[in-house]
Amino acid sequence: GQQVMQIPQYQHVQEGEDFTTYCNSSTTLSNIQWYKQRPGGHPVFLIQLVKSGEVKKQKRLTFQFGEAKKNSSLHITATQTTDVGTYFCAGDNFNKFYFGSGTKLNVKP
Amino acid sequence: EPEVTQTPSHQVTQMGQEVILRCVPISNHLYFYWYRQILGQKVEFLVSFYNNEISEKSEIFDDQFSVERPDGSNFTLKIRSTKLEDSAMYFCASRQGQQNTEAFFGQGTRLTVV
Repeated sequence: GQQVMQIPQYQHVQEGEDFTTYCNSSTTLSNIQWYKQRPGGHPVFLIQLVKSGEVKKQKRLTFQFGEAKKNSSLHITATQTTDVGTYFCAGDNFNKFYFGSGTKLNVKP
Repeated sequence: EPEVTQTPSHQVTQMGQEVILRCVPISNHLYFYWYRQILGQKVEFLVSFYNNEISEKSEIFDDQFSVERPDGSNFTLKIRSTKLEDSAMYFCASRQGQQNTEAFFGQGTRLTVV
């Protein structure tokens, strides 16, 4: 079955440092979505990427979809303590979307 | 802003008992999902539902599980005979279209089986 792998599992950074999480799918995706889950919270939609090679920015967050539509990345520039949480990618495949294992980000002030 | 609502927020049940988790998806959404998340682990797909029937289900969604849309607004997940390993956070999600549309998640129901 389709699998979506995500690395790293954990990342601890000092406030102000950059952060990147990577997502790889075993199959080509029609689109990929990114979600953020705060501790004790539920997944909240961040963005969707559809086109091959697409790059989207949301303030300090940059999302990229690979040319082959099998990988994606999320980069946060100059992290803040409010960025703490787990970031999940989710590959979309018709009847369901598969979540990656998530990257838990901890930001030290 | 429209939201997906789930009740109860926390359910404690004895092993072997039946539980029903309730969800009210966003009103104009057509596709509904249940996911679960065991503490500290990834979000796992359970089942998707469209047009009053299951579209797809995972290996986790065995005969102990069932879903229903009893009326025009509620979407329920029933676990017939709960096991200790069913303890998890259960999230309901809905979206307007099948693909390329954002999914909205409810706040979740924390199920604890004792």
